[in-house]
Amino acid sequence: SQTIHQWPATLVQPVGSPLSLECTVEGTSNPNLYWYRQAAGRGLQLLFYSVGIGQISSEVPQNLSASRPQDRQFILSSKKLLLSDSGFYLCAWNPGQGEKLFFGSGTQLSVL
Amino acid sequence: GESVGLHLPTLSVQEGDNSIINCAYSNSASDYFIWYKQESGKGPQFIIDIRSNMDKRQGQRVTVLLNKTVKHLSLQIAATQPGDSAVYFCAENRGAGGTSYGKLTFGQGTILTVHP
Repeated sequence: SQTIHQWPATLVQPVGSPLSLECTVEGTSNPNLYWYRQAAGRGLQLLFYSVGIGQISSEVPQNLSASRPQDRQFILSSKKLLLSDSGFYLCAWNPGQGEKLFFGSGTQLSVL
Repeated sequence: GESVGLHLPTLSVQEGDNSIINCAYSNSASDYFIWYKQESGKGPQFIIDIRSNMDKRQGQRVTVLLNKTVKHLSLQIAATQPGDSAVYFCAENRGAGGTSYGKLTFGQGTILTVHP
């Protein structure tokens, strides 16, 4: 069966520090991969999605970037974090041409 | 702009009651809708989905109803249990066809609290 792993679960970072969140999927090939952000008490906002290695689409302008160095690995990064980057970050995947998303357990990022 | 929103941000029910969570959407071209349950500090879990060519779909204790005329979606939970307490999100596929993949647009969420 397919599983998605996301880490770390929580992260506290100072303003201006770099960020790297990692997500991996097991048990499938060529998945579509997504990064969502959820502000406290709000819905999910799509940040990035990828349909293949090295293919990244950004949905909203922001201080973050994403990379997909391997088929089942998706990384969310920032060179310098802002206070507004705080939030709950969720990685998700679905099969190519699929619509139902499967989410990871999330990373709670606090930028202080 | 296109959006998916909820009528009620919170819902409190007694254990054993039926719960109904509502959602309105504005994109008439959306052809796929999905409900997720999210417990505190966890990622959303799939509950049930429905395509626009259907108006009702049933799962285990849950039913999703779609009214395309008024662009309304609802999630019904039968015999609600304390373990159902969570935030429930509706989401729509923003575009028709396969090119939109999992680019779901999410509503704000409804907090369901089930009292024993």
